[in-house]
Amino acid sequence: KNEVEQSPQNLTAQEGEFITINCSYSVGISALHWLQQHPGGGIVSLFMLSSGKKKHGRLIATINIQEKHSSLHITASHPRDSAVYICAVSVENYGQNFVFGPGTRLSVLP
Amino acid sequence: GAVVSQHPSRVICKSGTSVKIECRSLDFQATTMFWYRQFPKKSLMLMATSNEGSKATYEQGVEKDKFLINHASLTLSTLTVTSAHPEDSSFYICSASLAGVVGTQYFGPGTRLLVL
Repeated sequence: KNEVEQSPQNLTAQEGEFITINCSYSVGISALHWLQQHPGGGIVSLFMLSSGKKKHGRLIATINIQEKHSSLHITASHPRDSAVYICAVSVENYGQNFVFGPGTRLSVLP
Repeated sequence: GAVVSQHPSRVICKSGTSVKIECRSLDFQATTMFWYRQFPKKSLMLMATSNEGSKATYEQGVEKDKFLINHASLTLSTLTVTSAHPEDSSFYICSASLAGVVGTQYFGPGTRLLVL
């Protein structure tokens, strides 16, 4: 069993739809990260969470530490949101290393 | 802030040659840099962790004589793929950690290597 799992693996949505990507983990963490990787390959850090909820524009990330679960929501999705979304965790006492989820490939159709 | 660059972005080389990839933190000091490899439609695979001024720590299964890592300064780490073979063709990404800030990595744009 992977330490970080994501669902769904692939997601196709119509422009304007509300999107949710889920992440669950099985280790103790100091922080959870949501990353975005565009088709060209570059990775952008969207959020770093250790509790509660964060919002940035149309993106919202939540985390439930007790349930070891996080969600990334995209409101009013747009084709430019098409990317791979990766959940990664900083494991307690594991230094700066991340443990990565397998990623969720999102396609938003116009 | 917290920008990481990689050079080159794309490289094609002949089998048997060596290729050097640079990773720079442009506006911050990075005590730790990470090198990842990514296969198509797969997640990032950590190859090694490098700390400024010391030898890199390689993950199990990664040949340290094949993938030479140097982290000579707080803003520069290099990955050299020695005697490259077609199976080394991949997407290589570096990331850098901000000195004194736990749990943060800033990623470079990646280098696509094709070995013919």
